Amino acid sequence: QVQLVQSGAEVKKPGASVRVSCKASGYTLTSYYMHWVRQAPGQGLEWMGLINPSGGSTNYAQKLQGRVTMTRDTSSSTVYMELSSLRSEDTAVYYCARGHSGYYSEFDYWGQGTLVTVSS
Amino acid sequence: EIVLTQSPGTLSLSPGERATLSCRASQSVSSSYLAWYQQKPGQAPRLLIYGASSRATGVPDRFSGSGSGTDFTLTISRLEPEDFAVYYCQQYGSSPWTFGQGTKVEIK
Repeated sequence: QVQLVQSGAEVKKPGASVRVSCKASGYTLTSYYMHWVRQAPGQGLEWMGLINPSGGSTNYAQKLQGRVTMTRDTSSSTVYMELSSLRSEDTAVYYCARGHSGYYSEFDYWGQGTLVTVSS
Repeated sequence: EIVLTQSPGTLSLSPGERATLSCRASQSVSSSYLAWYQQKPGQAPRLLIYGASSRATGVPDRFSGSGSGTDFTLTISRLEPEDFAVYYCQQYGSSPWTFGQGTKVEIK
């Protein structure tokens, strides 16, 4: 069965960076795009960007351009999301989510979420 | 960027009642690339509907989606206790992918 298992909760200071991992199993990582979505406490869902695990190409949300980097390691079926220059507004649960079919696609499987807390 | 506006913000209903949730887009959604997700507290979102009206695998048939262009609807025909949750619409026809702000369906 398809599973996306994310790394554990993180606490970071303002200005630091965080890297969240998402390990895929039950399917071939390179066959599906992977997206990242975040959710601030009590708020809605915000799309952050996507990575094509096959070639590594990315598409980032404009507001995060320059601070977010998505990478993948096909040998371990894992994708990574790194966010730099953290600020308090980046406190959120971060999810990886698989694109169901092709580039423009809904998200059929989600990771369990990783809470990132930014606090001095 | 396509802005999605969901209404109402909160829907207070009793089990067995019908729920109708609305999602309006600021511009036409390409190819009806509109999805609906359900989210319960402490859980990741779950895909319910894609392509405006196709049910995802394992989704009960009391959930149905309709609409095209800029106006979309999620209907839950008879609310079960496990259906009380927050529902989000999402458009995936153009970048950036965007979500509505959510509708909370609560027990009256």
